[in-house]
Amino acid sequence: QLQLQESGPGLVKPSETLSLTCTVSGGSISSYGYFWGWIRQPPGKGLEWIGTLYYSGNIDYSPSLKSRVTISADRSKNQFSLKLSSVTAADTAVYYCFRDSGHWAIDMWGQGTMVTVSS
Amino acid sequence: EVVMTQSPLSLPVTLGQPASISCRSSQSLVSSDGNTYLYWFHQRPGQSPRRLIYKVSNRDSGVPDRFSGSGSVTDFTLKITKVEAEDVGVYYCLQGTHWPGTFGQGTKVEIK
Repeated sequence: QLQLQESGPGLVKPSETLSLTCTVSGGSISSYGYFWGWIRQPPGKGLEWIGTLYYSGNIDYSPSLKSRVTISADRSKNQFSLKLSSVTAADTAVYYCFRDSGHWAIDMWGQGTMVTVSS
Repeated sequence: EVVMTQSPLSLPVTLGQPASISCRSSQSLVSSDGNTYLYWFHQRPGQSPRRLIYKVSNRDSGVPDRFSGSGSVTDFTLKITKVEAEDVGVYYCLQGTHWPGTFGQGTKVEIK
């Protein structure tokens, strides 16, 4: 069955770039009708959408993070990635990758990876 | 951006008793295609969220029938007929009608 797995450093220094990868197994990120993206959750807080990569190749970003976020895909590896630049302590969160089957119908989540921003 | 407001934010419940969570949107969630893209998720402590309900009232595969979703336009409700121990955690609503999709703040359900 479909599985999503986040990977990347658990600790990032302030002002540096956070980089995470989501590896998809049991399905293809090139499958028609599915979108792929990232959501984060600061400790003890709610869910915040970061961005979505569409089947067409277009990408949408949260307006509040747009200036610092880049999402890209490596379809040969069935992976997609998140880069968040100039991080601060406010970016400390669990980062989840997800699958969306359209209209924000998020039906699959990765297990999440905790990223702490600290020197 | 559409604001989703959940209430209550904390819900102590007795095992076997019903529970109800409200989610209100700042705009109508009826899409131009006639659908209402309102979802409910459950997040157990230390786990990823899991979708329970899609398009207001449709239960996802494997979701117990004690969970039900209802509502329309701007006012939506998630009900649990008889709360079980495994139902603890935080429940979120999400609207997908307007870009960007937005989550409610979450409702924490705990056993009394």
